[in-house]
Amino acid sequence: QVQLVESGGGVVQPGGSLRLSCAASGFTFSSYGMHWVRQAPGKGLEWVAFMRYDGSDKYYTDSVKGRFTISRDNSKNTLYLQMNSLRAEDTAVYYCAKGVPNPVAGTSYFQHWGQGTLVTVSS
Amino acid sequence: EIVLTQSPGTLSLSPGERATLSCRASQSVSSNYLAWYQQKPGQAPRLLIYAASSRATGIPDRFSGSGSGTDFTLTISRLEPEDFAVYYCQQYGSSPLTFGGGTKVEIK
Repeated sequence: QVQLVESGGGVVQPGGSLRLSCAASGFTFSSYGMHWVRQAPGKGLEWVAFMRYDGSDKYYTDSVKGRFTISRDNSKNTLYLQMNSLRAEDTAVYYCAKGVPNPVAGTSYFQHWGQGTLVTVSS
Repeated sequence: EIVLTQSPGTLSLSPGERATLSCRASQSVSSNYLAWYQQKPGQAPRLLIYAASSRATGIPDRFSGSGSGTDFTLTISRLEPEDFAVYYCQQYGSSPLTFGGGTKVEIK
């Protein structure tokens, strides 16, 4: 069955950096676009970033453009999110999610989710 | 950006009752690319419905989705104890992908 396991969360000071990882198994990772979605404590869901199955295309929500970078290593079945210049408002549980092919570039619903990793930005 | 507004914010019902949740979009959702998720405390969201009305694998048939354009509905025909949770809609017809603010279904 599909498994997505995030890691790399923790406490970081404002302006700091963190890299999240998402280890995938149970499906052909190199055939699917992958997403990061976050949820601030007690709040709703917010899509963060998407990478196409072959790494050729990336999309970001406006609030993280220029600060976050999504990447993947298909040989390791792993998705990454490099987060720089972190702000208090980036505090959230970060989920990786498996997408499904969709005619509209960069879009998908989220078929499977990991359990999430908590990022806390605080001094 | 498409803004999704869910109503009501909280729905207080008893087991066995019918739940009707609304999701309204600020502009038409392309090809009715609208999904619904269920989230319980401390858990990741779970996909219930995609393409407005298609049930995801393993989802009981008491969950149904309907609607088109800007108005969508999730209906739970008879609430089971495990259905009390927060429900989110999400559109994937255009970028950026967006979610509604959620509807909490609580036990009355």
